Amino acid sequence: KAGVTQTPRYLIKTRGQQVTLSCSPISGHRSVSWYQQTPGQGLQFLFEYFSETQRNKGNFPGRFSGRQFSNSRSEMNVSTLELGDSALYLCASSKGADGTGELFFGEGSRLTVL
Amino acid sequence: AQSVTQPDIHITVSEGASLELRCNYSYGATPYLFWYVQSPGQGLQLLLKYFSGDTLVQGIKGFEAEFKRSQSSFNLRKPSVHWSDAAEYFCAVGDLFTGGGNKLTFGTGTQLKVEL
Repeated sequence: KAGVTQTPRYLIKTRGQQVTLSCSPISGHRSVSWYQQTPGQGLQFLFEYFSETQRNKGNFPGRFSGRQFSNSRSEMNVSTLELGDSALYLCASSKGADGTGELFFGEGSRLTVL
Repeated sequence: AQSVTQPDIHITVSEGASLELRCNYSYGATPYLFWYVQSPGQGLQLLLKYFSGDTLVQGIKGFEAEFKRSQSSFNLRKPSVHWSDAAEYFCAVGDLFTGGGNKLTFGTGTQLKVEL
């Protein structure tokens, strides 16, 4: 059974550019959550999608957005990149969205903003 | 708002020694609690979770955790540490009761080093 796949694994951007990260959940999982991991702030929740609808959103500026497709694959976009957006972005999938299930994490997309 | 505190940033133990990683939480209701482990360059893997019932929960890789409501704690333990346990460990609380779905609030993590 394939795990959560995130692409790209590594990318380098410059300030002001935008970036799109992709996440393919485990087959049959309908919930996809995104987290930002940095040395200073740790793991912070970005948003969660379930059946193409955003269920929850963390405390991030509007430059951070996401969406989910009918096949449960998800993308997140960060526009007008800032140096502080450099981070490991982790995607997690789960069967449901009731908070009781296990989250399965991908290996992350490491974004460096120069 | 809920929060999680992991007081120990780094812990070093000898292989074969016992381990206890501390976690304290703040949450207005009965919490949903989790421990995750992250190896270098990897995503997070669930070790164990607590929702209700028996306050001592067993997880994978020989780990267990005990929920103590009076102390707002959910400490992770392992009787005998293996070198492969070296990793970063995260305690987290779910936000189910405010409609948070799968939203987790994580602690800052504890980096475990195992001396051979």
